[in-house]
Amino acid sequence: GENVEQHPSTLSVQEGDSAVIKCTYSDSASNYFPWYKQELGKRPQLIIDIRSNVGEKKDQRIAVTLNKTAKHFSLHITETQPEDSAVYFCALLESGTVSKLTFGTGTRLQVTL
Amino acid sequence: DAGITQSPRYKITETGRQVTLMCHQTWSHSYMFWYRQDLGHGLRLIYYSAAADITDKGEVPDGYVVSRSKTENFPLTLESATRSQTSVYFCASSGGSNQPQHFGDGTRLSIL
Repeated sequence: GENVEQHPSTLSVQEGDSAVIKCTYSDSASNYFPWYKQELGKRPQLIIDIRSNVGEKKDQRIAVTLNKTAKHFSLHITETQPEDSAVYFCALLESGTVSKLTFGTGTRLQVTL
Repeated sequence: DAGITQSPRYKITETGRQVTLMCHQTWSHSYMFWYRQDLGHGLRLIYYSAAADITDKGEVPDGYVVSRSKTENFPLTLESATRSQTSVYFCASSGGSNQPQHFGDGTRLSIL
């Protein structure tokens, strides 16, 4: 199946700073890229997604950018707050399927005061 | 979201036993999925289903069995549990192609 590489595996930022998480993939036909946030002991929750017909999408302090040529997409969190501390997973829809997601291995974000 | 529920939330069993994890959704979503989550591996797809009576293997299906006799239920069975199947199991559902997947609260399964 498709491989998704996610970096960094851990990220520590000070409150108010920005955080960026990047994922790279190999299948140029992939066309749907969601991001999930998972707090400790909780379920993964969708926070934002992007489709291949757009290059950027924003929702308040969260944005996702997609570079189809370079085959990478990134999550940007601005003005980070302690409640942003969690594990973040990127994912993509495998081409040739209607529903199968492949997930990155996750980034543990720690926002310090 | 209360629309997808998993049971039990926690389970301890012994190697060789059969155990079934339940998943129920109230959204009438066509697609349902089972993942396992292990440190260093993220979420890996075990099985998925596109509709009632249609199931297919994911990345790590060995040792697992699923069924989907009703749209709202998608049970996962470990026919003879092994220690390597100790994990957190998440069920998810989605309404259609390219639609977001929504997860249940998970089942933490320990096999001794």
